[in-house]
Amino acid sequence: DAKTTQPNSMESNEEEPVHLPCNHSTISGTDYIHWYRQLPSQGPEYVIHGLTSNVNNRMASLAIAEDRKSSTLILHRATLRDAAVYYCILRVMDSNYQLIWGAGTKLIIKP
Amino acid sequence: KAGVTQTPRYLIKTRGQQVTLSCSPISGHRSVSWYQQTPGQGLQFLFEYFSETQRNKGNFPGRFSGRQFSNSRSEMNVSTLELGDSALYLCASSPPTGELFFGEGSRLTVL
Repeated sequence: DAKTTQPNSMESNEEEPVHLPCNHSTISGTDYIHWYRQLPSQGPEYVIHGLTSNVNNRMASLAIAEDRKSSTLILHRATLRDAAVYYCILRVMDSNYQLIWGAGTKLIIKP
Repeated sequence: KAGVTQTPRYLIKTRGQQVTLSCSPISGHRSVSWYQQTPGQGLQFLFEYFSETQRNKGNFPGRFSGRQFSNSRSEMNVSTLELGDSALYLCASSPPTGELFFGEGSRLTVL
């Protein structure tokens, strides 16, 4: 099973950039890297996803290593509303399509 | 565009009873997946439906079942409830590009 490894928690100061790392050494060539975040008492929220190239959207940027065995979610300017659990997951693209969820990283933003 | 709607939001059942949870996906999304979230186990994949067919199933006992209707709405059923089934049940719908859009969940308490 394709799995990801993330730090349990990270702290950052408000209005500073945040780099959330994720290791996925067993990634397959067709697996997409997805990031979601979950605020307290809410369902997970889609953040960004990519395959090989770095990706940017209005919420964040995703930097993917050249060997694809790791990736980094970048929040360019963290706010208190970005405090959440961030999940890095792999979408396994085969006949048994499935998403494997790890424990995620709890991001704490200090004012 | 309306988001994913799950009903009921909260419910309390007793051991041995059965429960049915409902999910209305985002209009146009044909894929619906279900997850169980508990503090100890995190997010665990239950099953995924696409065009009324179960496309994939997680590692849960047969007491957990689901179905999808022609309008893409989905239901999941848990029979013979156990205390350990107390959890937040999340539904997500997906467009062909693969992102998951989650509802706010149905919180089940089994007494």
